Amino acid sequence: AQTVTQSQPEMSVQEAETVTLSCTYDTSESDYYLFWYKQPPSRQMILVIRQEAYKQQNATENRFSVNFQKAAKSFSLKISDSQLGDAAMYFCAPAGAGNMLTFGGGTRLMVKP
Amino acid sequence: SQTIHQWPATLVQPVGSPLSLECTVEGTSNPNLYWYRQAAGRGLQLLFYSVGIGQISSEVPQNLSASRPQDRQFILSSKKLLLSDSGFYLCAWRAPGARGYTFGSGTRLTVV
Repeated sequence: AQTVTQSQPEMSVQEAETVTLSCTYDTSESDYYLFWYKQPPSRQMILVIRQEAYKQQNATENRFSVNFQKAAKSFSLKISDSQLGDAAMYFCAPAGAGNMLTFGGGTRLMVKP
Repeated sequence: SQTIHQWPATLVQPVGSPLSLECTVEGTSNPNLYWYRQAAGRGLQLLFYSVGIGQISSEVPQNLSASRPQDRQFILSSKKLLLSDSGFYLCAWRAPGARGYTFGSGTRLTVV
């Protein structure tokens, strides 16, 4: 079984600045993927970024990057040059060999103009 | 291209009434299909998944059931709704062997 902890219920960032959302997880599997999903007010789940656990290099997607620390089981999301459209709930979710996503409780990100 | 359709978008049902939520996927074959529920202000909880027609696995025992009558159709049902069934229900699909999930737009269910 997997567990996911997102210790920041809410975060706030000034527009154009950088914010980091934290996530720790616990898994007994050696082969897994990690995902960050964004859920705007529309409640659509949108994939932001994903990381293969076997890769040491941190994933990057434009303004979004991760800091993956496998030994510490930590998977944080960094958003650079924050935009108003980044305001949303963000969920961290590992997926193990059975490919079942396990979601954290989420972090609500507010972006101040 | 692949798309996923989920309906209805919003539903208000009285306690004790039946429920049927439908999810269909286009543009792919033999997808893995999932039903998730999200309580207000919470993360997503996996309810059911299916790897093929007629194959349903339940993750959480509850008042709900799921069926997969066709390859790309996944239905969430209840015979008698409870107040605690209120929530936001999301359908998702994944291609066999792939790691990425695609979610539908969700159904907001309110049981009154």
